[in-house]
Amino acid sequence: QKEVEQNSGPLSVPEGAIASLNCTYSDRGSQSFFWYRQYSGKSPELIMFIYSNGDKEDGRFTAQLNKASQYVSLLIRDSQPSDSATYLCAAASNFGNEKLTFGTGTRLTIIP
Amino acid sequence: SQTIHQWPATLVQPVGSPLSLECTVEGTSNPNLYWYRQAAGRGLQLLFYSVGIGQISSEVPQNLSASRPQDRQFILSSKKLLLSDSGFYLCAWSSAGGTQYFGPGTRLTVL
Repeated sequence: QKEVEQNSGPLSVPEGAIASLNCTYSDRGSQSFFWYRQYSGKSPELIMFIYSNGDKEDGRFTAQLNKASQYVSLLIRDSQPSDSATYLCAAASNFGNEKLTFGTGTRLTIIP
Repeated sequence: SQTIHQWPATLVQPVGSPLSLECTVEGTSNPNLYWYRQAAGRGLQLLFYSVGIGQISSEVPQNLSASRPQDRQFILSSKKLLLSDSGFYLCAWSSAGGTQYFGPGTRLTVL
């Protein structure tokens, strides 16, 4: 069974520090990886996606992918209280991205 | 820009009652459409996806069904709800091969 695993947290990070969120996946055939942010009681919103090994930066966010280690991470620089949320990692096993497997999410709290 | 709507936002239903949740997308044509369920403390579970009108793929066998009567309309139904059907139901859309974007969700409580 294809699985995506995340540390459920909670992860507490001081304001202004770097938050590091990690995710591992079991299916070596996974092609694309997605990070979503979900505020309590709300629906997930896309932060960024990555499908090539290495780093991808978008503003304060950096996604990192290592397919050999089956490992994906999300770094949040200069963490803000508004970054406090649950972060969901997802993997797509096909190029069409129709079938996303989600992790259970990591709850992040930014401490002012 | 594209917008995705879901209704109702919240729903409380007795066990054994029927269910109909609706999702519509604006601003795009021939989207891929998805139904997910998020139960308390669990990850998002893909229930159904559709790549076109009348084309439904079921991911999890259960007492739910989905239909796509129009290009930008996706409906989730049940004839008889179970307690275990409680959860946060999310509709998502994507272009073919693209990233999935979620609607606001419907919170369903089955009593």
